[in-house]
Amino acid sequence: GAGVSQTPSNKVTEKGKYVELRCDPISGHTALYWYRQSLGQGPEFLIYFQGTGAADDSGLPNDRFFAVRPEGSVSTLKIQRTERGDSAVYLCASSPLVAGTDEQFFGPGTRLTVL
Amino acid sequence: SQQGEEDPQALSIQEGENATMNCSYKTSINNLQWYRQNSGRGLVHLILIRSNEREKHSGRLRVTLDTSKKSSSLLITASRAADTASYFCATAPGSGNTGKLIFGQGTTLQVKP
Repeated sequence: GAGVSQTPSNKVTEKGKYVELRCDPISGHTALYWYRQSLGQGPEFLIYFQGTGAADDSGLPNDRFFAVRPEGSVSTLKIQRTERGDSAVYLCASSPLVAGTDEQFFGPGTRLTVL
Repeated sequence: SQQGEEDPQALSIQEGENATMNCSYKTSINNLQWYRQNSGRGLVHLILIRSNEREKHSGRLRVTLDTSKKSSSLLITASRAADTASYFCATAPGSGNTGKLIFGQGTTLQVKP
């Protein structure tokens, strides 16, 4: 079956621009997660959705970052006024159940480069 | 912030040898998971061990968990060149569990044919 997909696979933008990153989770998965991974580091949690609502957004670094999941399926991570430090691979994952008791299925990621 | 510390950071072995990676964490956990990542992109789940379990096996993988020492190990037996990848431990926090995972910095494994 189809896994988690993310678009675009690569995004190059200029400092100060706005970007949107999209995640299509596995059909039927109620939980959706966003992580950010810098070179040589492990993924860093950003935000977690249970259905349409953000259950935990404690990992968002500042108010330039925002994510939505309006219909409980596709999610969009939005970054305003991008900075060079935002350059990283942004990973999306989904899982069928809640509370971290199940594995998470990861997409291939979007590599964001801010020039 | 990242909870896990993994060692070694890099490991190079010959095909057929066993590879052992260690992970330590700081807070109480609900479960601990190991993931593999190729080419710096998507992660693949390998195995999950719950906080009340001490050892788990899956094929050539063996995971141990010592909650008193807040540490885990991943053993890959009879390694293959295809096992070359980065391996991450990830913990699910034990209180106010929201499903997020906290990853370590990873171990880069190279298996030479």
